[in-house]
Amino acid sequence: KNEVEQSPQNLTAQEGEFITINCSYSVGISALHWLQQHPGGGIVSLFMLSSGKKKHGRLIATINIQEKHSSLHITASHPRDSAVYICAVKTGNQFYFGTGTSLTVIP
Amino acid sequence: DAGVTQSPTHLIKTRGQQVTLRCSPKSGHDTVSWYQQALGQGPQFIFQYYEEEERQRGNFPDRFSGHQFPNYSSELNVNALLLGDSALYLCASSLGWNMNTEAFFGQGTRLTVV
Repeated sequence: KNEVEQSPQNLTAQEGEFITINCSYSVGISALHWLQQHPGGGIVSLFMLSSGKKKHGRLIATINIQEKHSSLHITASHPRDSAVYICAVKTGNQFYFGTGTSLTVIP
Repeated sequence: DAGVTQSPTHLIKTRGQQVTLRCSPKSGHDTVSWYQQALGQGPQFIFQYYEEEERQRGNFPDRFSGHQFPNYSSELNVNALLLGDSALYLCASSLGWNMNTEAFFGQGTRLTVV
């Protein structure tokens, strides 16, 4: 069993839809990161969370430490949001990564 | 601020050869971690360097080695390349070891072993 599980693995949405990606983890963590990876590889850190909720533009991330669960929400989705979204948890000095959610937003 | 930079961006090597990948951390960061991402998988932790020493290591063989220089930049070396070493190699930098600080990732080096 992986330390970090994401769902869904693949997601196709129409432009404008509200999107939710879920992440569950099984280890004690000091922080959780949501990352965005575009084709070609480069990873961008969207959020770092240790509690509560953060919002940046159309992106919202929440975490429930007791339930070991986090969600990434995208409001009013746009084709440029198409990417792989990866949940990564930091425990000690090491990250454990989910396998990612591949999001395609269709115009 | 250039962020985390990795070189080269793409590389093709022959099985059995050796390869060196390079990473310059974000300005002010002193900790560098390396990850291997196979196609369709999440990144896997290789090792982490702080104060020019390997501080933590994932489940990778000794063919994978590294180095950190006084300016905090780092190299990842892989000897006796196998076809299975083909992957995207990511570098991440952060400030301080054993501190809960945000990590920044580079664009990665795509290694293909033929």
